[in-house]
Amino acid sequence: KNQVEQSPQSLIILEGKNCTLQCNYTVSPFSNLRWYKQDTGRGPVSLTIMTFSENTKSNGRYTATLDADTKQSSLHITASQLSDSASYICVVTLSGNTGKLIFGQGTTLQVKP
Amino acid sequence: ETGVTQSPTHLIKTRGQQVTLRCSSQSGHNTVSWYQQALGQGPQFIFQYYREEENGRGNFPPRFSGLQFPNYSSELNVNALELDDSALYLCASSFPVGDEQFFGPGTRLTVL
Repeated sequence: KNQVEQSPQSLIILEGKNCTLQCNYTVSPFSNLRWYKQDTGRGPVSLTIMTFSENTKSNGRYTATLDADTKQSSLHITASQLSDSASYICVVTLSGNTGKLIFGQGTTLQVKP
Repeated sequence: ETGVTQSPTHLIKTRGQQVTLRCSSQSGHNTVSWYQQALGQGPQFIFQYYREEENGRGNFPPRFSGLQFPNYSSELNVNALELDDSALYLCASSFPVGDEQFFGPGTRLTVL
């Protein structure tokens, strides 16, 4: 069964601190993996995308890693800001003509001053 | 902003009623996918439309139906609403099919 599991479910950190979110997947056939940021009540916005051959991808203070052998990914946020408070969703794309997305349940991050 | 728009923003219906949600895709995108996101959960794939035809469907009953128009905008129709249909409904557009999907802001549906 194609599944994406994320941990932790929720996280509270102080402004300025770093954090790392985890994603494990059992999806086949794999096309790519994206991390999305979703503000409350809004649509998800893509942060990073990685294909099978990529190990790391950065977007400002966000750095994603991918280990295709162990089927694990992480999203590291550096020097967190209050605006980082959101849900972070790991999404794996199936290869094929639909580009079907398999979503994790998300990690809710709250950054406190 | 992604250029994908959805209407209405919020909607309240009662059990048994029917609802139509609308989505305008980003300019040049010919593929629209619909997702249901329950509170605290990740989005679940409902179906995808490509060039006005259904191009894949998730595990949703037939009372969830859709349509795509020649301008690639799309509708999601839900008949015989149930309480569990309360969710955020997201649409996403892409070009070509299989490429990155850009999400709209969603429609929050509440079924009483």
